[in-house]
Amino acid sequence: DGGITQSPKYLFRKEGQNVTLSCEQNLNHDAMYWYRQDPGQGLRLIYYSQIVNDFQKGDIAEGYSVSREKKESFPLTVTSAQKNPTAFYLCASEGQGWSGELFFGEGSRLTVL
Amino acid sequence: GENVEQHPSTLSVQEGDSAVIKCTYSDSASNYFPWYKQELGKRPQLIIDIRSNVGEKKDQRIAVTLNKTAKHFSLHITETQPEDSAVYFCAASINTGFQKLVFGTGTRLLVSP
Repeated sequence: DGGITQSPKYLFRKEGQNVTLSCEQNLNHDAMYWYRQDPGQGLRLIYYSQIVNDFQKGDIAEGYSVSREKKESFPLTVTSAQKNPTAFYLCASEGQGWSGELFFGEGSRLTVL
Repeated sequence: GENVEQHPSTLSVQEGDSAVIKCTYSDSASNYFPWYKQELGKRPQLIIDIRSNVGEKKDQRIAVTLNKTAKHFSLHITETQPEDSAVYFCAASINTGFQKLVFGTGTRLLVSP
C-alpha cells in the first residue's frame, strides 16, 4: 500500500531534549516537505527537499534540522533551540512532474512537558 | 513573500445549504491555488485545485472560483452533507518547479443534520 508514514504518532519530550520525527514514503516522489500545524495558524513550512542530499529552509526553520540521505526518508529533528516545539507536525511529498498535489502523512503530535 | 488570508474561521450550516469559503493572496505571481480538506484526526487531502489560466473549476458538489484581478479565490460547496464537516485550507503558490505552498489559517465547517 503506497503512502507516507510518520512516526511516532504521539511524542512527549522534556525541555532541553532533541527529538527526531520519522517520515518515510514509498511513492517514489522526489520532493518532500515538513509542515507545522498550530491552532488558528494553518500549515507553516519548516523545511523542504527537492532531491536526495539537498534541502532548503522554509519559513520557520529556526530550531529544526533535517536530512535527506535517501529518497524515501526525510526525518525532522526538533532541537532544544526551538522555543515553542509543542505542535502537530505533518510530512508531505509531491507527485512526479509537478502534479501540484501534496500527499500528507498522518502527522506526529509533539508535546513538550 | 506570499500571504494568504482565509475567512471565515468557522462556518456552521444546515444540511443541504451551500457553504462558501474565501481566500485572498498577496503575490500577483501566484498561479496555483489548491484546497485541502482535513477531517478530525486525519491527514489533509486535496479536494480541488485551480490554476491561474482558468476562472472556475467544478467537481460534483464543489467548485472553486478565481479572480486574479482582485487576488481572491473561493471554495463553494453545494448541498452540504454532514460528512463535509472538516477543516478546509486554501493555499497559493508560484510555479517554481516545486511546491512552496503558503496556506491560509483554515475554516472549520460544521454541517448540522
